[in-house]
Amino acid sequence: GENVEQHPSTLSVQEGDSAVIKCTYSDSASNYFPWYKQELGKRPQLIIDIRSNVGEKKDQRIAVTLNKTAKHFSLHITETQPEDSAVYFCAASHPGFQKLVFGTGTRLLVSP
Amino acid sequence: NAGVTQTPKFQVLKTGQSMTLQCAQDMNHNSMYWYRQDPGMGLRLIYYSASEGTTDKGEVPNGYNVSRLNKREFSLRLESAAPSQTSVYFCASSEVGQGNQPQHFGDGTRLSIL
Repeated sequence: GENVEQHPSTLSVQEGDSAVIKCTYSDSASNYFPWYKQELGKRPQLIIDIRSNVGEKKDQRIAVTLNKTAKHFSLHITETQPEDSAVYFCAASHPGFQKLVFGTGTRLLVSP
Repeated sequence: NAGVTQTPKFQVLKTGQSMTLQCAQDMNHNSMYWYRQDPGMGLRLIYYSASEGTTDKGEVPNGYNVSRLNKREFSLRLESAAPSQTSVYFCASSEVGQGNQPQHFGDGTRLSIL
């Protein structure tokens, strides 16, 4: 089955810096890659997703890139702000199945 | 719209007790899911229901049962709780459409088993 690895497990940046979180997946048939943000004690919330027919997607300060050949995808946050501090999870899904396989999460800390 | 609603929010059980976690969604979604979240392990799928009347095992189904009561409701039952089942449980739902669709999560149930 699908396996998703996520790095780094923790990431500390200064306010205004960029942050990059990387995930690799094992099943070359996976075609849907969402990213979730989870603040302390709260529910995971979808922040951006990408499908395998697209190489990059942007939404304001957030972007996701996908390299199907290498089977990895990354989350890029520019101009980080303290409110970006949270745990970020990547996930992958196989076509025809509604199941998501999640990475183990990255704790992002943005210091003022 | 309330989205995905889970009850209870917190629960403490003794080993061997049973309980049912409730989940309801008002988004008319076909698919529903139960995850557990443990420190350092991300979200792991326990069971899911692709549509009303169907349920399937996920990655960690042992010790759990589920019921898709109707399109809105999907419950998770612990028949004989064990300390290893101490976790935060999240319910989620999604549409069925062209390709995979985003999953929407509830606020979670924090379950401690002594």
